[in-house]
Amino acid sequence: GNSVTQMEGPVTLSEEAFLTINCTYTATGYPSLFWYVQYPGEGLQLLLKATKADDKGSNKGFEATYRKETTSFHLEKGSVQVSDSAVYFCALSEENQGGKLIFGQGTELSVKP
Amino acid sequence: GAVVSQHPSRVICKSGTSVKIECRSLDFQATTMFWYRQFPKQSLMLMATSNEGSKATYEQGVEKDKFLINHASLTLSTLTVTSAHPEDSSFYICSAPEYSSGNTIYFGEGSWLTVV
Repeated sequence: GNSVTQMEGPVTLSEEAFLTINCTYTATGYPSLFWYVQYPGEGLQLLLKATKADDKGSNKGFEATYRKETTSFHLEKGSVQVSDSAVYFCALSEENQGGKLIFGQGTELSVKP
Repeated sequence: GAVVSQHPSRVICKSGTSVKIECRSLDFQATTMFWYRQFPKQSLMLMATSNEGSKATYEQGVEKDKFLINHASLTLSTLTVTSAHPEDSSFYICSAPEYSSGNTIYFGEGSWLTVV
């Protein structure tokens, strides 16, 4: 079945460091891919998305490129801030599934000043 | 923009009682909504798909008699945890896709349930 695998956390970085959170997926069709962010005690916020191969999603300095050849959607940011500390979830939604999401296990990011 | 609202955000109930969580789409119609459950420091697991005007579709391993889902209108789905036990304590969150905006999926704020 479909699945999403993320790198394990927690990831601890210093402010202004470069961030990469790896995400790979398994899907039978052509899914849309998402990154969601969850701040402590809150719900989920959509960070960015990509709906087809080679699309790049970007938002708030974060980027991820839909790589079909490597079935990956790695999240990157050039310079993290303390306020980026949160849990990041990679997710996929298969076409014709009506918005049902399959999530990775989440990666906790902690940015120190 | 479109918003999905959940209520209550936090609830404490006694073992054996039932608790209802509401999920509303505020400015769009949602024929389908999804309910997820999240244990502390874990990922979100899909519990069920809520379909307006018909029965919910439950994921494998989710007890439909324990987690009652009702989607009585195009803007409201409810999840009722019946005969709650401490192991039902969790974070429950709903989502609704808005098909008119390119299938954007909106999440509610989530509901923290504590069963004592």
